[in-house]
Parts: sequence; structure tokens; C-alpha cells
Amino acid sequence: NAGVTQTPKFQVLKTGQSMTLQCAQDMNHEYMSWYRQDPGMGLRLIHYSVGAGITDQGEVPNGYNVSRSTTEDFPLRLLSAAPSQTSVYFCASSFPEGNGYTFGSGTRLTVV
Amino acid sequence: AQSVTQPDIHITVSEGASLELRCNYSYGATPYLFWYVQSPGQGLQLLLKYFSGDTLVQGIKGFEAEFKRSQSSFNLRKPSVHWSDAAEYFCAVGSMEYGNKLVFGAGTILRVKS
Repeated sequence: NAGVTQTPKFQVLKTGQSMTLQCAQDMNHEYMSWYRQDPGMGLRLIHYSVGAGITDQGEVPNGYNVSRSTTEDFPLRLLSAAPSQTSVYFCASSFPEGNGYTFGSGTRLTVV
Repeated sequence: AQSVTQPDIHITVSEGASLELRCNYSYGATPYLFWYVQSPGQGLQLLLKYFSGDTLVQGIKGFEAEFKRSQSSFNLRKPSVHWSDAAEYFCAVGSMEYGNKLVFGAGTILRVKS
């Protein structure tokens, strides 16, 4: 029972590079979300999905794309990395009806 | 707009002392409320949640929280703190009317002194 698996755990990018943060869950959760965590700001929602083929923007979506082709996977794409995207990224999943989200262990991204 | 306020950025308590972490929310719909804990370098772990019913909810690790609708608060408590409770604590609010998206507070860092 892996829960929510995020890869990679650490990544350094140069400004302008693109990359994909991977997220997979094995709990058959319908809801999945991506958050970024910055000091003193808590977690802010980037994108979320309520099921395969359905995604929507959160609070800070600019510079990020997502897709949800399967229930299990919810990758986050950085199109052209900027230093402002240096952060810790968390993927989370949940059943609907207000259940708490299960979080992955995070990806620490540095953009230089 | 939905918002969550955790007024205390840092709190220091002595081991064995009681703890209360404050959380206030602003939410138009009927909220679901959560407390999460994060140890350094780790992900977030769910401590407890409130959906409806009994306003005093019990969680893991001896934590409890009380929902007070009149005060828009959901404070986290523990009668006796252990050194292993040192971590950052996040309050979060969600609602099915907002697609089950969670809004988080900025967090409270708990330090435990021996």
C-alpha cells in the first residue's frame, strides 16, 4: 500500500527548462490536487481534478499544466521554469464527500 | 472568499504542558475542517477532521479539536505535549460546494522545551 507516490524527491532546474513532476496513487481516489508550499504561506492549490479527464485551476495555476488521463496518475508540468517556482510541491488525493486528503512526501524544486 | 487564519506563527510549550493551537476560518458554505501535522522534510499527516455532528472530535496522537460555529473557530488541543509533537501544524477548510478543494492556513510551528 504505497499511498501517494511523488517523483522525483529533489530537482534542480535552470530558468526556462521544462519538466514534469509525477504523482501516482493506488487508493482509487477520485480527487487529486497539486499544492505548493512556501515558507509562511501554508499550502496553495495549483490545480486539482475530480476524476479522469476533469481538471480545474486552483489559486496559483500560472506556469503549470496538468492532465488526468487515468484515475491513478496526475502529473504536473512546468512549461518554462522560473525562479519564482522554487518551492516544495505536494500531490494529494482523496475520496469525495469531504474526506481528508492523503499527501505524498513532496518534491523539492529549485530553479536557478 | 474562503480563508483560514492561524494567528500564531510560533508557539513554545514545555513538555507535559497543555497545548491549544488556534484556527479561524471564513467560509460561506458548510465547512469541512481538518488539522494536519508536518514534521521537517516530510509530507502532511491528517490528525483529525470535522464534517458534522459532535463538535468535539478526537484524532490521532491524543489530539482533539472543537468546532465552534459562532466563533468560526476550530482550535486544536492536547492535554500533555510530548517532545515528539514538535512540528508544524496546519488547519484547512473545504466544502463540497467548492469541489472539495482545501484552503490551508499559514501554519503554526510548535516547539517543545524539556
